[in-house]
Amino acid sequence: KAGVTQTPRYLIKTRGQQVTLSCSPISGHRSVSWYQQTPGQGLQFLFEYFSETQRNKGNFPGRFSGRQFSNSRSEMNVSTLELGDSALYLCASSIGTGVEKLFFGSGTQLSVL
Amino acid sequence: AQSVTQLGSHVSVSEGALVLLRCNYSSSVPPYLFWYVQYPNQGLQLLLKYTTGATLVKGINGFEAEFKKSETSFHLTKPSAHMSDAAEYFCAVSYFSGNTGKLIFGQGTTLQVKP
Repeated sequence: KAGVTQTPRYLIKTRGQQVTLSCSPISGHRSVSWYQQTPGQGLQFLFEYFSETQRNKGNFPGRFSGRQFSNSRSEMNVSTLELGDSALYLCASSIGTGVEKLFFGSGTQLSVL
Repeated sequence: AQSVTQLGSHVSVSEGALVLLRCNYSSSVPPYLFWYVQYPNQGLQLLLKYTTGATLVKGINGFEAEFKKSETSFHLTKPSAHMSDAAEYFCAVSYFSGNTGKLIFGQGTTLQVKP
């Protein structure tokens, strides 16, 4: 069974630009969560989608948004990039019901110059 | 606010020695508790989780953790460290019984294993 796939693996953008990251969950998983990982702030929850609906949201500004498609694939978008948005963005999928384990992708490393 | 504290950002042990990574959470309501491991340039992998029932939880790669409600702790242990255990370890909690999409992570502990 294929794991969680995130594309692209690396991304370099400049301040003010916008970026879209993609996540393909494990087949059959309906929940996709996004996390931001930085050396200073650690791992922080961005949002979670389940069956195309946002189910939970973290404390990030509105520049961070996401969506989920009918095939459970998810995208997250960051508009008007700031230097502080440089981070590893991790996507995780799960079946979506009960307390199951999250399966994480390898992440997208975003650098904002 | 709910939080997770991992004592010690770096822990160094010799190969074959006991591994002890500490985790404390702040809540009067017992959460669901997890330990994840992250190897360089990879995502996180679940080591073990506690939901209900037996307080001593066994995970993969010989790791185990004990939930102690009175101490609000969930420390991770392994009797004998192996070189391949060198990685970053994260303790996490979830207060949502309906799903585990939203986790609160500790700051992480980097485990160094010396030959």
